[in-house]
Amino acid sequence: DGGITQSPKYLFRKEGQNVTLSCEQNLNHDAMYWYRQDPGQGLRLIYYSQIVNDFQKGDIAEGYSVSREKKESFPLTVTSAQKNPTAFYLCASRTGALPGELFFGEGSRLTVL
Amino acid sequence: QQQVKQSPQSLIVQKGGISIINCAYENTAFDYFPWYQQFPGKGPALLIAIRPDVSEKKEGRFTISFNKSAKQFSLHIMDSQPGDSATYFCAASKGGSQGNLIFGKGTKLSVKP
Repeated sequence: DGGITQSPKYLFRKEGQNVTLSCEQNLNHDAMYWYRQDPGQGLRLIYYSQIVNDFQKGDIAEGYSVSREKKESFPLTVTSAQKNPTAFYLCASRTGALPGELFFGEGSRLTVL
Repeated sequence: QQQVKQSPQSLIVQKGGISIINCAYENTAFDYFPWYQQFPGKGPALLIAIRPDVSEKKEGRFTISFNKSAKQFSLHIMDSQPGDSATYFCAASKGGSQGNLIFGKGTKLSVKP
């Protein structure tokens, strides 16, 4: 079955540690996205990538980093510079063709202890 | 101008009733308006979408009404069922369905049996 796989589903981290969230898709989609979801805040765009080896900052990129070395993979690193990293992180992908529906993974919940 | 304002934040409806969720936007360049449905612990999934050249789009029990002059659009769920209980997000983008989506803050819908 085609889809987006995020791992781990739950992650605990101590303050000051970097953590990397994995996102893999087998939909052959060109574009991939990372969103952060907080209660009552909707979905906020962290980073996106329209093509391999290229990515753009979203609205809340500070304290995060990404890479796009392969079409299928778009890992997100939450660095120690992120002031409030506890959140639900969602990865999504979209084909370059219409209608442009975003397909989401099931998310990774990060808790900083 | 980039915001999408969604209301209400939460909604309780009896089974068989009509659920109505409203969204408003400022940016007249937005030209694609999807609604996403999210169940607890899962990623959002596209429910229905509309472009500003039509005033209404219906898919089964779900209808989007679009008022271009008022810069508002709404989701109507007819004959609401307990299985519809979820969080609903409206969104908007410019550049058609390929533009980056701006999400509303979400509405948590509970349908009581």
